[in-house]
Amino acid sequence: SQQGEEDPQALSIQEGENATMNCSYKTSINNLQWYRQNSGRGLVHLILIRSNEREKHSGRLRVTLDTSKKSSSLLITASRAADTASYFCATDGTENTGFQKLVFGTGTRLLVSP
Amino acid sequence: GAGVSQSPSNKVTEKGKDVELRCDPISGHTALYWYRQSLGQGLEFLIYFQGNSAPDKSGLPSDRFSAERTGGSVSTLTIQRTQQEDSAVYLCASSPGQGTDNEQFFGPGTRLTVL
Repeated sequence: SQQGEEDPQALSIQEGENATMNCSYKTSINNLQWYRQNSGRGLVHLILIRSNEREKHSGRLRVTLDTSKKSSSLLITASRAADTASYFCATDGTENTGFQKLVFGTGTRLLVSP
Repeated sequence: GAGVSQSPSNKVTEKGKDVELRCDPISGHTALYWYRQSLGQGLEFLIYFQGNSAPDKSGLPSDRFSAERTGGSVSTLTIQRTQQEDSAVYLCASSPGQGTDNEQFFGPGTRLTVL
């Protein structure tokens, strides 16, 4: 079963507004990543936050991580119509299997209207 | 500087036929992943290759699914006796491998439609 769960499942905002998406996970992690997907095709890596980090910025993106609550949030500031996409969180667990298997959440569909 | 490529981009097949999907990872990436994504859903992990290690096949949904990776590079996902529920987008990703942050680079996917 998938480890990550995003909410909301869908988010509709106007250009210029901020968009916040949340992700919860279940087990200990090495890091958490956010990906973006346009039109149901390949995903693009946005940002990675390590388990010992609490906040990270990249351009208009701000990611927070609360390991005590096993949750993360992705904030997109001053949104643009081009930000319309699905956003997924993915966790890299700490299981000592020798594999680095990312587990993806269910995604948030963001619609930014002009 | 090519990224991950997949072929074909679209495949329509009849129920019961076999299909092969191909993935060319980024050169030098030792890790390769296959995922499946049904319409409007998240990614379902299928299989993972890391270097010369035995692959992690824990996500394959049935024995009709198999994958191989030749020479540590190109990978082929084979679905035998396709069923309508196999219809989905099949995504391949590669990453530099163990000891890195495991950022994955995705291909554009193959959209499989089983009639």
